Amino acid sequence: GESVGLHLPTLSVQEGDNSIINCAYSNSASDYFIWYKQESGKGPQFIIDIRSNMDKRQGQRVTVLLNKTVKHLSLQIAATQPGDSAVYFCAEAWGGLIFGQGTTLQVKP
Amino acid sequence: DVKVTQSSRYLVKRTGEKVFLECVQDMDHENMFWYRQDPGLGLRLIYFSYDVKMKEKGDIPEGYSVSREKKERFSLILESASTNQTSMYLCASSLHGKETQYFGPGTRLLVL
Repeated sequence: GESVGLHLPTLSVQEGDNSIINCAYSNSASDYFIWYKQESGKGPQFIIDIRSNMDKRQGQRVTVLLNKTVKHLSLQIAATQPGDSAVYFCAEAWGGLIFGQGTTLQVKP
Repeated sequence: DVKVTQSSRYLVKRTGEKVFLECVQDMDHENMFWYRQDPGLGLRLIYFSYDVKMKEKGDIPEGYSVSREKKERFSLILESASTNQTSMYLCASSLHGKETQYFGPGTRLLVL
């Protein structure tokens, strides 16, 4: 079956630094991708999405990059803050949504 | 803003009990979903519904059933709870099939 995976289970960054969270997907026909943030004890929260006809999309302090050639998705967080500490999931729309396992982002003060 | 609510944040039940988890969304979304989330296994789809009174099995439907009598409400039922159903249960809704899903806060269920 299809799978979506994140490269690293845990990422630790210094407050103020930029964070990059990576995701590999396996279905080249997927045309929509989403990043979610899940804080401890809460449900996943939508951060940003991107369609396959784009290679970059920017939000507030976040940027998603899509490289269809290598089937790679990344989430960049600028000036990482302690409130960014959470688990980050990518999801691929193929039928329904297929979720990755998640990367835990730890922000050191 | 989309709001998805779940009836309980925490539940403790005994083996063999019938358990109802309720989910309500207020954005007139067509689709609703139930997932469970376990460490190391990520989000796994239990059941989903594309319309009132319609339901489809997800990846792990065994031991669960669902009910969607109204568009805004999607219930997950554990007919006879077992300890391996201890988990975090997440409800989600989306406007259409391949659109963003919006999640509720989750229900953490402990079956003793």
